[in-house]
Amino acid sequence: SAVISQKPSRDICQRGTSLTIQCQVDSQVTMMFWYRQQPGQSLTLIATANQGSEATYESGFVIDKFPISRPNLTFSTLTVSNMSPEDSSIYLCSVADLSYNEQFFGPGTRLTVL
Amino acid sequence: GNSVTQMEGPVTLSEEAFLTINCTYTATGYPSLFWYVQYPGEGLQLLLKATKADDKGSNKGFEATYRKETTSFHLEKGSVQVSDSAVYFCALPYNTNAGKSTFGDGTTLTVKP
Repeated sequence: SAVISQKPSRDICQRGTSLTIQCQVDSQVTMMFWYRQQPGQSLTLIATANQGSEATYESGFVIDKFPISRPNLTFSTLTVSNMSPEDSSIYLCSVADLSYNEQFFGPGTRLTVL
Repeated sequence: GNSVTQMEGPVTLSEEAFLTINCTYTATGYPSLFWYVQYPGEGLQLLLKATKADDKGSNKGFEATYRKETTSFHLEKGSVQVSDSAVYFCALPYNTNAGKSTFGDGTTLTVKP
């Protein structure tokens, strides 16, 4: 199993600013994922982040808006840039075990953009 | 590609009522199947899983049976409690071709005392 922590747990930000969300895992993992969950909705994958390579973004998400870093096997950051109220959401970090037979999720970062 | 269809919610039940949340899937081969639960203010956590046809996953009084013939993995509990109020997601595991896992839309369960 894997225990994941995220910082901050929540934040209220002004339009036009940026927020960096940190994800820390208690074990080394190859694949990390960043999801967005808008109120009352399911998970939407933003990107997959593998250590040592550039993140792979899903359709509708771009690196300029959501830059991701993955400096080692236990840590990643997601930045939400030039925020607008539409970015208000829960952002979830997740990792998969080596057999991809289960995913583990962080507690989420609850972002409100005014 | 892979897909998961969950029954539409929200679902509101009284304590001790019987719960069923339907889930059907489309996938190649015979993947594992999962139910995740998200309690208020938290991330998702694995509730139960089944790795092959006719397997029954169970945890915390919840059960789900992997039905290959109907491509279903319905979640059931015989007697729900207020503490079961949460969002439940049916899911297929990470797929190499797709490059991601597949989650259903989630079903919000509210249990009233």
